[in-house]
Amino acid sequence: GAGVSQSPRYKVAKRGQDVALRCDPISGHVSLFWYQQALGQGPEFLTYFQNEAQLDKSGLPSDRFFAERPEGSVSTLKIQRTQQEDSAVYLCASSLETSRSEAFFGQGTRLTVV
Amino acid sequence: AQKITQTQPGMFVQEKEAVTLDCTYDTSDQSYGLFWYKQPSSGEMIFLIYQGSYDEQNATEGRYSLNFQKARKSANLVISASQLGDSAMYFCAMRKNPGNEKLTFGTGTRLTIIP
Repeated sequence: GAGVSQSPRYKVAKRGQDVALRCDPISGHVSLFWYQQALGQGPEFLTYFQNEAQLDKSGLPSDRFFAERPEGSVSTLKIQRTQQEDSAVYLCASSLETSRSEAFFGQGTRLTVV
Repeated sequence: AQKITQTQPGMFVQEKEAVTLDCTYDTSDQSYGLFWYKQPSSGEMIFLIYQGSYDEQNATEGRYSLNFQKARKSANLVISASQLGDSAMYFCAMRKNPGNEKLTFGTGTRLTIIP
């Protein structure tokens, strides 16, 4: 596709429910990032993939958060037993593997936990 | 650790005027990159401009320019001849170079262009 695609755009989950957020990066982009953006804040890093390898997951807030990119393209961010503090916009970004390359972002998934 | 500070939560500017959005940063890295992104109400982060820490000239992209003052650790965004479509949130971000590291973002500035 022309840009980074994320689905769903909006997700309402009941507290305790599991959710899965999908990211389809730009074709050929080696690097893929997930960020969490709380209301009124800047995005905060969650995790980073280079192809299928998850090289950095230091930003995942708890072991309820899990991300995968099994074939080095599409990635899924899974949140188990959702809690109200998980409500945020989840942004996915992809980029080429060069130091001067900018990250291209998707429109995000707005997760609301009720 | 890297830190980005944006001290202007909101700004109002008359259409066609120039506007400067402030950004200061802190890092112990010698090589790093500085970015500005625009986030309209649709939610997507749109890349505007990039400045490498070793770039000797200030970056420019159309109406956007980056006023990079390395000694002061500042990377202000200047938008010339502002347009109504420039109304959005603007985020300053940085990452370590080389390679593809995570971005560290500031808290953003909400820019509103007044007709």
